[in-house]
Amino acid sequence: DTEVTQTPKHLVMGMTNKKSLKCEQHMGHRAMYWYKQKAKKPPELMFVYSYEKLSINESVPSRFSPECPNSSLLNLHLHALQPEDSALYLCASSQDRGFSIYGYTFGSGTRLTVV
Amino acid sequence: DQQVKQNSPSLSVQEGRISILNCDYTNSMFDYFLWYKKYPAEGPTFLISISSIKDKNEDGRFTVFLNKSAKHLSLHIVPSQPGDSAVYFCAASATNAGNMLTFGGGTRLMVKP
Repeated sequence: DTEVTQTPKHLVMGMTNKKSLKCEQHMGHRAMYWYKQKAKKPPELMFVYSYEKLSINESVPSRFSPECPNSSLLNLHLHALQPEDSALYLCASSQDRGFSIYGYTFGSGTRLTVV
Repeated sequence: DQQVKQNSPSLSVQEGRISILNCDYTNSMFDYFLWYKKYPAEGPTFLISISSIKDKNEDGRFTVFLNKSAKHLSLHIVPSQPGDSAVYFCAASATNAGNMLTFGGGTRLMVKP
């Protein structure tokens, strides 16, 4: 299995809702990442988990709450989001934290719309 | 301040010809560079990479060239195929800065049949 699987593919939520994005990989990768990508912009790093511990939080607002229940799963809990949080949320993994000569493996993303 | 820049937002090439995508960087600490390809509604897919100790890396139709003195790299695709039509992102990392990837803004390549 050489994939990163993200669910759901699309999500529409109201500003008072609580929802979660899920990410799963079974490649034995020990680092997992959340990126946010707005239209016509590059992916922006949000969080990095290394060996199931949060190692980087790029000053992300607390309405985004990551969780790594085990080495294969990464969640992003969403609460009280704003319309400007609408974006493509990408999960990625790599063998270890930082680059791999094979690059990161990205999931297909969750297209989030906040109304 | 963008540390990795792709100054051409789009590029159109005829099938069979060469596609050249360019990327410039400002951070001299970057020592590893990668190219990703992204189709709509999909995540980026790793394409090819190059270490700063090399000036060229080739993989099939794809070749990446690195000019460290100019802080410039390019991706050559030859021959270009319609299936190559996608957005291409350049990314860079620095070993002494945690190796996190910094992405450029992307270039949309359109290969016309």
